[in-house]
Amino acid sequence: DIVMTQSPFSLAVSEGEMVTINCKSSQSLLSSGNQKNYLAWYQQKPGQSPKLLIYYASTRQSGVPDRFIGSGSGTDFTLTISDVQAEDLADYYCLQHYSSPYTFGAGTKLELK
Amino acid sequence: QVQLKESGPGLVQPSQTLSLTCTVSGFSLTSYNVHWVRQPPGKGLEWMGRMRYNGDTSYNSALKSRLSISRDTSKNQVFLKMNSLQTDDTGTYYCTRDCGYTTDYWGQGVMVTVSS
Repeated sequence: DIVMTQSPFSLAVSEGEMVTINCKSSQSLLSSGNQKNYLAWYQQKPGQSPKLLIYYASTRQSGVPDRFIGSGSGTDFTLTISDVQAEDLADYYCLQHYSSPYTFGAGTKLELK
Repeated sequence: QVQLKESGPGLVQPSQTLSLTCTVSGFSLTSYNVHWVRQPPGKGLEWMGRMRYNGDTSYNSALKSRLSISRDTSKNQVFLKMNSLQTDDTGTYYCTRDCGYTTDYWGQGVMVTVSS
């Protein structure tokens, strides 16, 4: 099974700051067929279902603000949130969708400083 | 529009079997995969298993011996059955649609408590 190691566990930020969340996979998530990385990022607010932010490591889902930026390839991936807003305070998860069984990172809690 | 909705008992006794239903609309189960994901209270997301568009299934290695996923395409429903429930199976259970490159639409989730 592919292991997803996500860090940090939590992050305290002020509005307007930039934050970075990391996800490392135990195997490459890069498909040789289409050169796409099967890594997605989700945001989950309390009491809500997860919301898809980024897929293919760097493609924003429709409607997601451009302050959410996904990057990385192979085994190392990053979610950057520039100019953090109060509405961004939530839990964030990475998911590898490269091979079954699919696996999530442990999550990162973004809190207000 | 695409919708998924989980349903099932809110309370299950230890050692019993959990049965959940995911009813979908706005897409066909013969064209899209559907996954089950769960989340213990205050903890992270755990991928449980998947029903593929062609009827094949795959499961989380840690749950495989207790878990079964099936479907009824005529009713647009995907079913989850998990036996030998324990208290650490308490949590919110979600079904979610696979759009090919990840999961996009999620149900609202159903809270399941395992307790006597």
